Amino acid sequence: GENVEQHPSTLSVQEGDSAVIKCTYSDSASNYFPWYKQELGKGPQLIIDIRSNVGEKKDQRIAVTLNKTAKHFSLHITETQPEDSAVYFCAASSHYKLSFGAGTTVTVRA
Amino acid sequence: EPEVTQTPSHQVTQMGQEVILRCVPISNHLYFYWYRQILGQKVEFLVSFYNNEISEKSEIFDDQFSVERPDGSNFTLKIRSTKLEDSAMYFCASSPPDTQYFGPGTRLTVL
Repeated sequence: GENVEQHPSTLSVQEGDSAVIKCTYSDSASNYFPWYKQELGKGPQLIIDIRSNVGEKKDQRIAVTLNKTAKHFSLHITETQPEDSAVYFCAASSHYKLSFGAGTTVTVRA
Repeated sequence: EPEVTQTPSHQVTQMGQEVILRCVPISNHLYFYWYRQILGQKVEFLVSFYNNEISEKSEIFDDQFSVERPDGSNFTLKIRSTKLEDSAMYFCASSPPDTQYFGPGTRLTVL
């Protein structure tokens, strides 16, 4: 089955700096890669996703890149703000079943 | 904006008891899912449901688990005889089909 590895497990950044989270996946059939943000006591909230026919996607301060050859994808958050503090999960999917990474706890220091 | 809702938010039960976790998916979505997250671990897929039947299930989803869409709006997960290791957050999700939207979760505590 699919195995998704996510790094780092924790990330502390100064407000205004960028944050980068990296994931690798094992199943070359995976073709959909969403990113979720989870705040304390809440369910995962989709923040951005990318499909395998696209190499990069951007939405305001958030961007995701995908390298299908190397089987890795990354989340970039620019100009971080205190409200970006949360746990971020990457996931990979080939037939609607999502396989998640272990999560990255991001702390934005004011 | 439509949301996936789940009830209850927290369920405490005794080992061996049956529990039913309830979800109301987003109304025009066609695919429904259950995931669980044991404290400190990854979110794990349990089961997907489409066209009134299970389309895929994981090794975790054994005979103790079942899902049902009893009417046009609810989607339920039943655990027949709970074990201590079933303690986790259970998340329901729905999708149109592709993008999955998650509910807030039910925290199940088995004593």
